[in-house]
Amino acid sequence: AQTVTQSQPEMSVQEAETVTLSCTYDTSESDYYLFWYKQPPSRQMILVIRQEAYKQQNATENRFSVNFQKAAKSFSLKISDSQLGDAAMYFCAYRRRSGGSNYKLTFGKGTLLTVNP
Amino acid sequence: NAGVTQTPKFQVLKTGQSMTLQCAQDMNHEYMSWYRQDPGMGLRLIHYSVGAGITDQGEVPNGYNVSRSTTEDFPLRLLSAAPSQTSVYFCASSYSRAGNTGELFFGEGSRLTVL
Repeated sequence: AQTVTQSQPEMSVQEAETVTLSCTYDTSESDYYLFWYKQPPSRQMILVIRQEAYKQQNATENRFSVNFQKAAKSFSLKISDSQLGDAAMYFCAYRRRSGGSNYKLTFGKGTLLTVNP
Repeated sequence: NAGVTQTPKFQVLKTGQSMTLQCAQDMNHEYMSWYRQDPGMGLRLIHYSVGAGITDQGEVPNGYNVSRSTTEDFPLRLLSAAPSQTSVYFCASSYSRAGNTGELFFGEGSRLTVL
């Protein structure tokens, strides 16, 4: 079974600085997606960034970028120029891209990010 | 653009009561699912459906029932609520075919408290 591990229950960063959230996963598959979701206090789950495993290039979305290391099964999220609105719980998630069980997202337990003014 | 709509957003129940959490999506997604979120546990899959008339169990199905009579709707039923079912519940949907973005679209969540 696939597992996703976020080893940092909580992180904090100063406004305008950079922070990296860690995620590792375990799978025997070669074709899959990885995601970072953000959950602010409003409770809404918001997709931050997506990576397809067959793509070697790391995904970026404005101030958010990932470091995808497929061999190491590592998928960290870097937030640059942190803003107060980035404060949230962040979840790393895995999904098979095809075949059986590709319906299911497996989530890590989350990292609570605090942004200090 | 409604997306995924969940109701109610908040509910308080007494032990033993029953209730249904409603979920509807307007994106013609084949796949629909229910997750529960508990502190320190992330999101865990309760039940899912890959199309109308097809449902199956996830990781934590006990105490919950689902049905999928239409593509749009996927209600979650608690037949006899227990305090252990106090949680935040999310409905989520997506296309199930390979080659799509893989993204799950979430409802706003429903906070359920069982006394």
